[in-house]
Amino acid sequence: DAGITQSPRHKVTETGTPVTLRCHQTENHRYMYWYRQDPGHGLRLIHYSYGVKDTDKGEVSDGYSVSRSKTEDFLLTLESATSSQTSVYFCAISESGRDRLGYTFGSGTRLTVV
Amino acid sequence: ILNVEQSPQSLHVQEGDSTNFTCSFPSSNFYALHWYRWETAKSPEALFVMTLNGDEKKKGRISATLNTKEGYSYLYIKGSQPEDSATYLCAFVYGGATNKLIFGTGTLLAVQP
Repeated sequence: DAGITQSPRHKVTETGTPVTLRCHQTENHRYMYWYRQDPGHGLRLIHYSYGVKDTDKGEVSDGYSVSRSKTEDFLLTLESATSSQTSVYFCAISESGRDRLGYTFGSGTRLTVV
Repeated sequence: ILNVEQSPQSLHVQEGDSTNFTCSFPSSNFYALHWYRWETAKSPEALFVMTLNGDEKKKGRISATLNTKEGYSYLYIKGSQPEDSATYLCAFVYGGATNKLIFGTGTLLAVQP
């Protein structure tokens, strides 16, 4: 996807281990988001950022933390991975609150916690 | 709790059929309504961002309407083609300084050739 990359694309990890997912953008957009996608739930917001070092919780933030030390990178950390965090994680970016172009999504990270 | 509902959950149509889906959202504190198209194994792509009551947007054979007073939006596809097969997501943005999308669970469209 143009301007936004997620890494890794796939990861298998053990229960109880910390995991960090990275979202990198080259668009210089102010807003960045982490969503998780689960069957029957659609996309649910975990955390978002509205500027460097400015972050806030979404609807399913328990067990996750985020950091944004520079405009282009937004990191999602699972402090101690659990099987319920097995999911596909999507990062998204948007320029402003009145972004007429909508969000741009990354390709997703498939995380399996065993 | 903000709830965005989409119907139907899934739809199977024949090539050439026209179809439509519904997105329902809270009618208070409205900011914007987004539509995305999500093909299998890809990431969601924005179709429309709608902000004004009565808005109508069109992109090729796909169009959308918005009613913010009653809290619904329709997405129409005219003359469906197999390449239209995808999940169509709507997402609601409520008022405030920050921009957060609340997604519906989507409508899965399968177009049979």
